This record gives sequence, structure tokens and C-alpha cells, in this order.
Amino acid sequence: EIVLTQSPGTLSLSPGERATLSCRASQSVSSTYLTWYQQKPGQAPRLLIYGASSRATGIPDRFSGSGSGTDFTLTISRLEPEDFAVYYCQQGRTFGQGTKLEIK
Amino acid sequence: EVQLVESGGGLVQPGGSLRLSCAASGFIFSSYEMNWVRQAPGKGLEWISYISGSGSTTYYADSVKGRFTISRDHAKNSLYLQMSSLRAEDTAVYYCTRRVGRSFDYWGQGTLVTVSS
Repeated sequence: EIVLTQSPGTLSLSPGERATLSCRASQSVSSTYLTWYQQKPGQAPRLLIYGASSRATGIPDRFSGSGSGTDFTLTISRLEPEDFAVYYCQQGRTFGQGTKLEIK
Repeated sequence: EVQLVESGGGLVQPGGSLRLSCAASGFIFSSYEMNWVRQAPGKGLEWISYISGSGSTTYYADSVKGRFTISRDHAKNSLYLQMSSLRAEDTAVYYCTRRVGRSFDYWGQGTLVTVSS
């Protein structure tokens, strides 16, 4: 079974800064199957990125995904106040443990 | 507008049973694979069950296999999760999700299940 490891566990940044979140798989996975979600407190997760790099409907273009093989990245180019949340990567039935993006 | 609305959560004693429901609207329910994903308090996301569009194929996480049963009713546009032999570690918010490709594109608001005596 594939294990997804996200880093860092917590990322402290200020609005306007660039955020880089990592998701590493224990074995090579198809980019087609790598997904990112955003979850705010008290809310359900929201689909952000599918197929490693395709933005879901309504997702701002400051969010981008990249990567292949075992290493994938979610980048938020310029943080807005509403972007501070927990981010999860997913492949198949497996989720990463999440990265909490908090305001510095 | 796609909507998924879960219900049926609550407090149940260890060893007890509960049935969760998810009412789907805004899309052709029978055309989509559906899943249940749960989240224990303060923890991450855990996939627990899948059902094909037709309902003929189901899968379960090892943590719930033999105790939980997923089903769907196309006439009622509803997804269900029958949970039995509940344990304290089953305490979580349970989300109904629609699957497109290998992603979960829509999620319900979740229903909280608390297993405690």
C-alpha cells in the first residue's frame, strides 16, 4: 500500500508570501491520480488540484500543482488570508497526514 | 447544483449499530461512484468505503471490513453506510463523497458519530 508523507507538518507564513507544500509517495504513482484538497476548520475538504496539476472548477490560479513519480508539490503563489487551512494530498484510497498552513 | 447531505450520526454505545444516509441531488446519482471518508477528531482523512455506480462493486478499508456495509438506492438518490460492532476508534465525522476519476470532487458537510458508553 502506498504511503503519502506530507511536509512540513506545519508551515507558518504571512499573507502575500509564497507557500510550497510537499507530498512524497512511498513508491512511484501516476500523476493522473494525485489530488490535493483544502480543509478549513469545521468544513468539509474541498477539491483543489487533480491529476497533479489541474485546478478544479473555481480554484484561483494562485494555486498550482506539479510533480511526478514520488514527489509532488502544491504551490500557492501569493497567500491570501483565506488560504490558511490544512492541505491534504491523496492517491487512490490513501491520504497524506496533512500540512497545516498557519498565519505567521 | 451538486449537493450531498449526510444524516444519521449520533451517540452510540460500543458494540452498537448505526446507519448513515447521504441524500444526493443535482446530478445523475447512478452515474457516479461514491465513497465514505471519515475524520477522527483532530486527525486526518481516512477513506473507508467505495461503491460503484451500479452498486455491484464495493470495497472497504481493513479497519471497517466485516463491520460496515455500503449501499445505495437509486430510486431515492441516496447512499448509505450501515455500521455495526462500533468501537471507540470509529468516533469521527463521516463524509459522503462523489468520485470522479480518482478524485473526490464533492463532499457533504459530514455527520458526527460518537462511540462512547
